[in-house]
Amino acid sequence: DQQVKQNSPSLSVQEGRISILNCDYTNSMFDYFLWYKKYPAEGPTFLISISSIKDKNEDGRFTVFLNKSAKHLSLHIVPSQPGDSAVYFCAASAPNYGGSQGNLIFGKGTKLSVKP
Amino acid sequence: GAGVSQSPRYKVAKRGQDVALRCDPISGHVSLFWYQQALGQGPEFLTYFQNEAQLDKSGLPSDRFFAERPEGSVSTLKIQRTQQEDSAVYLCASSLRGMAAADTQYFGPGTRLTVL
Repeated sequence: DQQVKQNSPSLSVQEGRISILNCDYTNSMFDYFLWYKKYPAEGPTFLISISSIKDKNEDGRFTVFLNKSAKHLSLHIVPSQPGDSAVYFCAASAPNYGGSQGNLIFGKGTKLSVKP
Repeated sequence: GAGVSQSPRYKVAKRGQDVALRCDPISGHVSLFWYQQALGQGPEFLTYFQNEAQLDKSGLPSDRFFAERPEGSVSTLKIQRTQQEDSAVYLCASSLRGMAAADTQYFGPGTRLTVL
């Protein structure tokens, strides 16, 4: 049973517009959420994160929003650029989950295509 | 500086063969994680080391999977008697401290294992 869900396998956006990637989770024990970006043949690269005590975190063009009551988070990219085209993974973590405090539970990813 | 490196990048094995996958973490990083990423899925946690101690191996799918980090630096993931369902990308990640998800995990490029 997937605890972190990214229900959109792909998203296509025009350059300069906003990209919104969504993620839902089921485990209320998750207290830290991250977004990773992955290019083909490379490992995931950390993008931005948010603690469960916050509802928004912003870093340049990237903003993550967390709605705990809905168990939903989203990543906003404004403005979108062609270089943002990649697979974006949502991940979550809970204290002492599975015995360690650092292992991440990933969604299946959303492939973002930003068209010039 | 040097990131996380993994070798080999690609490995083809016949069913029943043993394989060994290597991970060189970022120098000085205490924590090391192994993940398995099947096609079309997100990475799934396998095991976690803090220095040379394997603190969590709850994600290892069977006793055919074995990981070690004898000197607290380089790690090897060994799969004995490989099966077709072992075909996946094996990702290694390291973090400076790693006792919380807030400590960024840096991923290597992965080893793509194909079992024929």
